[in-house]
Amino acid sequence: AAGVIQSPRHLIKEKRETATLKCYPIPRHDTVYWYQQGPGQDPQFLISFYEKMQSDKGSIPDRFSAQQFSDYHSELNMSSLELGDSALYFCASSPGTNYNEQFFGPGTRLTVL
Amino acid sequence: AQSVSQHNHHVILSEAASLELGCNYSYGGTVNLFWYVQYPGQHLQLLLKYFSGDPLVKGIKGFEAEFIKSKFSFNLRKPSVQWSDTAEYFCAVDPGTASKLTFGTGTRLQVTL
Repeated sequence: AAGVIQSPRHLIKEKRETATLKCYPIPRHDTVYWYQQGPGQDPQFLISFYEKMQSDKGSIPDRFSAQQFSDYHSELNMSSLELGDSALYFCASSPGTNYNEQFFGPGTRLTVL
Repeated sequence: AQSVSQHNHHVILSEAASLELGCNYSYGGTVNLFWYVQYPGQHLQLLLKYFSGDPLVKGIKGFEAEFIKSKFSFNLRKPSVQWSDTAEYFCAVDPGTASKLTFGTGTRLQVTL
């Protein structure tokens, strides 16, 4: 079965650079969630989208922005990167508001040097 | 705001030992409850979930969990662990709607031969 696809899988950036993470949900899933998991920490919710509109917002820094496109894929844009942004960024998708569970992608490991 | 507590941060068991991982949540309304497993270097995978009905839910790989509403608990159990169960286990809660998951801090399970 198709799963959530995230790209790139690994990303290394310098401080103050920008990064774009991409998430391709499972086909026919119209809801996307972004989570950040720091080293040794639990995943923290960043932001979610439903039908291309932001549906919920968590502890996402102002330096980050995200959007969901017409094909339902989502991109997380991160600017002015800081060392503390080094983390695993998970994307999850679900089939709309009557959801049963969130299906997680493999994550993008971002390292900021 | 809802929160999730996992009391065991690091558990070490011998193969064939029984496992119980505690999870308590704080939220007064209807909740959906989940246990996710994260094997080393891998993404989150759903072990089991509770939405309604029988409070004893069975998941994959021989895991089960019991929802005790009066105790706000959703403990994970397995009668006999295997070395391959070595992983990090996360309890998660959502407030019964298609929105963000709140994760516990995770329990690292180490199973020795």
